Amino acid sequence: GENVEQHPSTLSVQEGDSAVIKCTYSDSASNYFPWYKQELGKRPQLIIDIRSNVGEKKDQRIAVTLNKTAKHFSLHITETQPEDSAVYFCAASISGGSYIPTFGRGTSLIVHP
Amino acid sequence: DAGVIQSPRHEVTEMGQEVTLRCKPISGHNSLFWYRQTMMRGLELLIYFNNNVPIDDSGMPEDRFSAKMPNASFSTLKIQPSEPRDSAVYFCASSGPQRAGGFNGYTFGSGTRLTVV
Repeated sequence: GENVEQHPSTLSVQEGDSAVIKCTYSDSASNYFPWYKQELGKRPQLIIDIRSNVGEKKDQRIAVTLNKTAKHFSLHITETQPEDSAVYFCAASISGGSYIPTFGRGTSLIVHP
Repeated sequence: DAGVIQSPRHEVTEMGQEVTLRCKPISGHNSLFWYRQTMMRGLELLIYFNNNVPIDDSGMPEDRFSAKMPNASFSTLKIQPSEPRDSAVYFCASSGPQRAGGFNGYTFGSGTRLTVV
């Protein structure tokens, strides 16, 4: 089955800095890669996703990149703000049929004011 | 749409007692997932249903855990007897049918925080 590794487990940055979270996956058939943000005491919520037919996607201060050859994808947050502090999860899945995402272990991002 | 609805939000119970967690998926969604989240293990998939049928329960930790989905709008996760190590946040998620190139609406509920003392 699919295996998703996520690094780092904890990331501490100063407000205004950039943050990068990296994930690798094992199943070359995976073609859909969502990212979830979980604020303290709340549910994980989708913030951005990327499909295997594109290499990069951007939405304001967040962007995702995908390298299918190397089987890794990354989340980039620029100009971090304290409200970006949360746990971020990456996931990999195969679209078509039953959608069953495999999640990484999560990265706790702390943005210091 | 009210989203995925879980109840209760918090549950405190004594060791040995039966605990039942409830989930109402988004209307029209045909897949339902139960997860357990702890600091040690992260987000673990326990079981998932497709069209009310359990497809994969390999993540269910022990026979003390059971899940049912009697209809498309309701699912339960039961722990009997409960133990302190079952303390965690339990999330339910649902998703709709796969659409070519489209997002299937995979959404988490707000979770149930279970404490077994």
